[in-house]
Amino acid sequence: GAVVSQHPSWVICKSGTSVKIECRSLDFQATTMFWYRQFPKQSLMLMATSNEGSKATYEQGVEKDKFLINHASLTLSTLTVTSAHPEDSSFYICSARADRTVSDEQYFGPGTRLTVT
Amino acid sequence: AQRVTQPEKLLSVFKGAPVELKCNYSYSGSPELFWYVQYSRQRLQLLLRHISRESIKGFTADLNKGETSFHLKKPFAQEEDSAMYYCALSGRGYQKVTFGTGTKLQVIP
Repeated sequence: GAVVSQHPSWVICKSGTSVKIECRSLDFQATTMFWYRQFPKQSLMLMATSNEGSKATYEQGVEKDKFLINHASLTLSTLTVTSAHPEDSSFYICSARADRTVSDEQYFGPGTRLTVT
Repeated sequence: AQRVTQPEKLLSVFKGAPVELKCNYSYSGSPELFWYVQYSRQRLQLLLRHISRESIKGFTADLNKGETSFHLKKPFAQEEDSAMYYCALSGRGYQKVTFGTGTKLQVIP
């Protein structure tokens, strides 16, 4: 089946620094990638939807200047948390879909645990 | 607005007993419904979707538009079914998928 990887799997950074998380589709081309945030014992919260070659669409309440998303190729999307603060500590998950039709399956990455000290 | 409600955070059943994980949704249109599963220390993966009308690992789910529900059922629970289950919804032709808060299924041997 289709595989999505994320790197790093976990990261610790100091407050005020920026962190980049990569999401790659390993064996298929992903026209659409999604970034989610998951708090402990809570559901996935969609942060943004990115289509290759265009600007990401952010969900209401998500700061686009703080969470920079780049989807420069059909196999790679990156999420950069800028000027991270402890409240940004969370589990970030990406997913990828091969086609723009919603009925196509989303394949999820394993997630990245971000801890901001 | 689209919303998915999973009323149970935890559901414990004995092995061999029937399982029903509840999911209700709110959406003003024709929704597409999904069930995702996350086994311990594994990534989230699609279990089934209503448009496929399929049975995966013995699980089935029927979309009831009158009751706006998409409950997940299995007649006989197995220990390997223990996992976190998320119900999800999307509108037709729209990319956004909204997840419920999830139900942890615990199958007691």
